[in-house]
Amino acid sequence: GNSVTQMEGPVTLSEEAFLTINCTYTATGYPSLFWYVQYPGEGLQLLLKATKADDKGSNKGFEATYRKETTSFHLEKGSVQVSDSAVYFCALSDSGGSYIPTFGRGTSLIVHP
Amino acid sequence: NAGVTQTPKFQVLKTGQSMTLQCAQDMNHNSMYWYRQDPGMGLRLIYYSASEGTTDKGEVPNGYNVSRLNKREFSLRLESAAPSQTSVYFCASSAKGLTGTEAFFGQGTRLTVV
Repeated sequence: GNSVTQMEGPVTLSEEAFLTINCTYTATGYPSLFWYVQYPGEGLQLLLKATKADDKGSNKGFEATYRKETTSFHLEKGSVQVSDSAVYFCALSDSGGSYIPTFGRGTSLIVHP
Repeated sequence: NAGVTQTPKFQVLKTGQSMTLQCAQDMNHNSMYWYRQDPGMGLRLIYYSASEGTTDKGEVPNGYNVSRLNKREFSLRLESAAPSQTSVYFCASSAKGLTGTEAFFGQGTRLTVV
């Protein structure tokens, strides 16, 4: 079956630091990969996505590249802000197989001024 | 555009009480899901519905039932609430079968069972 593994948190950074959150996946088909963000007290919302190998998804300064050879989709940002403090979820769905979104456990990011 | 709407936002139940969590989406999505979110556990799938008239168990279905009332609505029922069901519940929907289509989430229902 499909599964997603992401690094445990919390990740604590100072403002303007570089961010990496690791994510690896297992899938039987050809999945699309996603990063979602959850701000306190809210539901999840899509941050970025990539649908095929070597695609790069980007949004709000965040980037992630679909690496089929390493089955990874690591989230990066060059300079984090306090407002980026949230929980980040890596996820996949497979339109050709199990379309049900599968999520990692989430990584909490705390950014200090 | 409302997206996915869940009610209620907060609820406190006594052990043994029943309740229904409501969810509606206005995006004409075929697929709908119920997840629960617990600290350190991420999102776990309770039930899902691939299309109107069908429902299937997810990872943690025990103690829950669902109804796909029509294409828009997907409700989750707790027949006899237990403290272990204290959690945050999220409803989501997506357009099944389209490459790269994301899930859209409601704001969540924070349920406490005492």
